[in-house]
Amino acid sequence: QSALTQPPSASGSPGQSVTIFCTGTSSDVGGYKYVSWYQQHPGKAPKLMIYEVSKRPSGVPDRFSGSKSGNTASLTVSGLQAEDEADYYCNSYAGSNNLVFGGGTKLTVL
Amino acid sequence: QLQLQESGPGLVKPSETLSLTCTVSGGSISSSSYYWDWIRQPPGKGLEWIGSIYYSGSTYYNPSLKSRVTISVDTSKNQFSLKLSSVTAADTAVYYCARQVDYGAELDYWGQGTLVTVSS
Repeated sequence: QSALTQPPSASGSPGQSVTIFCTGTSSDVGGYKYVSWYQQHPGKAPKLMIYEVSKRPSGVPDRFSGSKSGNTASLTVSGLQAEDEADYYCNSYAGSNNLVFGGGTKLTVL
Repeated sequence: QLQLQESGPGLVKPSETLSLTCTVSGGSISSSSYYWDWIRQPPGKGLEWIGSIYYSGSTYYNPSLKSRVTISVDTSKNQFSLKLSSVTAADTAVYYCARQVDYGAELDYWGQGTLVTVSS
């Protein structure tokens, strides 16, 4: 299985919206509704932000939203805040109880 | 509140076996609703899924690591473990343990991570 494809970087000004894309194949992203997104601040463990493509765990602000079209999933952060600056990773179920991560996107709040 | 804590040597010699344990507290590892996973992150790089185990002992491994990985579970101690054999410098990473939800596959609880360096 190959890693999912994410852009290395993304940026936006406070208050703006930014969307991060995650491209896979029909064997992972396109084949299942089990895409999740994780936020990781430097030196910290990843934190679950979105699961099953578009669901938010309790406590995650509704500024974070997810969607999927075909083999590409996306994470949108609306109303950017300074604390949103972090690395973001997508993850997908890839069949046979396997998971695959994206390469990660560094989000900069300008 | 569920907590996961990794433990094990922080330094392993090349060609030897890396061994880590994840202790779960605040919940039972024997729950039928979850898998228990290992993920790693080389310094400055992205996350890589290593594999997972069900409380019954069923295991699932990343195909790229399968020949070198063994994950086991000890339900009496509420722990699960990782062994990675024949390590090289490329295996230097922060190793995380995490809980994977059975239906949905998301990793909802993570340990803090432990850095393992492969060096002579």
